[in-house]
Amino acid sequence: GQQVMQIPQYQHVQEGEDFTTYCNSSTTLSNIQWYKQRPGGHPVFLIQLVKSGEVKKQKRLTFQFGEAKKNSSLHITATQTTDVGTYFCAGPHSGNNRLAFGKGNQVVVIP
Amino acid sequence: DSGVTQTPKHLITATGQRVTLRCSPRSGDLSVYWYQQSLDQGLQFLIQYYNGEERAKGNILERFSAQQFPDLHSELNLSSLELGDSALYFCASSVEGGGTTGELFFGEGSRLTVL
Repeated sequence: GQQVMQIPQYQHVQEGEDFTTYCNSSTTLSNIQWYKQRPGGHPVFLIQLVKSGEVKKQKRLTFQFGEAKKNSSLHITATQTTDVGTYFCAGPHSGNNRLAFGKGNQVVVIP
Repeated sequence: DSGVTQTPKHLITATGQRVTLRCSPRSGDLSVYWYQQSLDQGLQFLIQYYNGEERAKGNILERFSAQQFPDLHSELNLSSLELGDSALYFCASSVEGGGTTGELFFGEGSRLTVL
């Protein structure tokens, strides 16, 4: 089954507003990665977080890894139409230690 | 362009048939991963090869098999196809062979439709 859970599954965001998407695990993760998949496209790597409490920024995107390394968040400010897509978090699967993806957060941007 | 090439992009076939999906990893990457993406299950890890050898298995059915050739390209074979096998199949590559550190570079996927 899924190792990481993402909430919400769907979001409608007004252009110019901020939004946050969350990723939770029942177990401690050694690292977490975030990917973005545009409609009709393929997943593209955004970032990897490794350290407890780590915060990384990429322009309007802020990624955070929780202190207990069981959760992560992606916060986007001043949403643009180019932010549309599905955002996935992925962490090591407890069984095979390969990246297990959450079901994603599909974001629709309302102009 | 991720540098990962997948063929075919689209494939329509009938139940009971067999198909082969092909993937060429990025230049220099030794690892190839296969993922299945469906609406209800999301992105599911199937199998990984590293430098020609199977390295890890995920939720891969017995009807499915894969291999990686000396030139590092990989093929995913799907046999006795069922309607539920309809999905987008992604190949990804990475430099590393083990664990989950380092990013995966995904191809554009092969969309399989089983009628």
